[in-house]
Amino acid sequence: SSEVTQDPVVSVALGQTVTITCHGDILTFSYASWYLQKPGQAPVLVLYGYNNRPSGIPDRFSGSYSGNTASLTITGAQAEDEAVYYCQSRDFRATHLVFGGGTKLTVL
Amino acid sequence: EIQLLQSGGGFVQPGKSLRLSCVTSGFDFHASAMNWVRQAPGQGLEWVAGISVTGAKTLYADSVKGRFIISRDNSEDTLYLQMNSLGAEDTALYYCVKDGYNLGDFLDHWGQGVLVTVSS
Repeated sequence: SSEVTQDPVVSVALGQTVTITCHGDILTFSYASWYLQKPGQAPVLVLYGYNNRPSGIPDRFSGSYSGNTASLTITGAQAEDEAVYYCQSRDFRATHLVFGGGTKLTVL
Repeated sequence: EIQLLQSGGGFVQPGKSLRLSCVTSGFDFHASAMNWVRQAPGQGLEWVAGISVTGAKTLYADSVKGRFIISRDNSEDTLYLQMNSLGAEDTALYYCVKDGYNLGDFLDHWGQGVLVTVSS
């Protein structure tokens, strides 16, 4: 399958650590990228490649992989991290980009 | 500063056509693969199409293949999406998106989005 799946909802207490996961067979050979989207705004890239952050993204965001799962970890979640997080990768033949369904992160 | 200024959205009847444009600045457009990604109201992100730096390679989601055409004008730093035979399922906010490296690697800059509404 060329799909990637995410848990729809995750919550975290302010200042605690949270991990958002993305599952799919294509992740065994292709990296995931992660985007956050706040209401009424365009998505923003937060992680790409093995564990790379674009300029301006805080270092509390980190990534990891295990088998067919990619993970985004926020260490010390802040109120401004509340958003929908999407993972994205490519299919086996690199002819399609694939997005997960998104995870709505609530910071309590 | 990288800018992706989109235009061309609007209200269109089923079966009709529409062309989206994305005028870019602040980066080497001719050296960047580009994509269109859409988001239906209240839904998640859906990749629509991608194009290589020269335009020689184009990729399409199955849902739009044969109806949509992605193209670029490197002399004008502009990306296009020609949308034909539109249906209600194409109603969405369409984003022009710059690729970070090779086509499909990661999407590092997004336009503001333009709304396309298909309805009779």
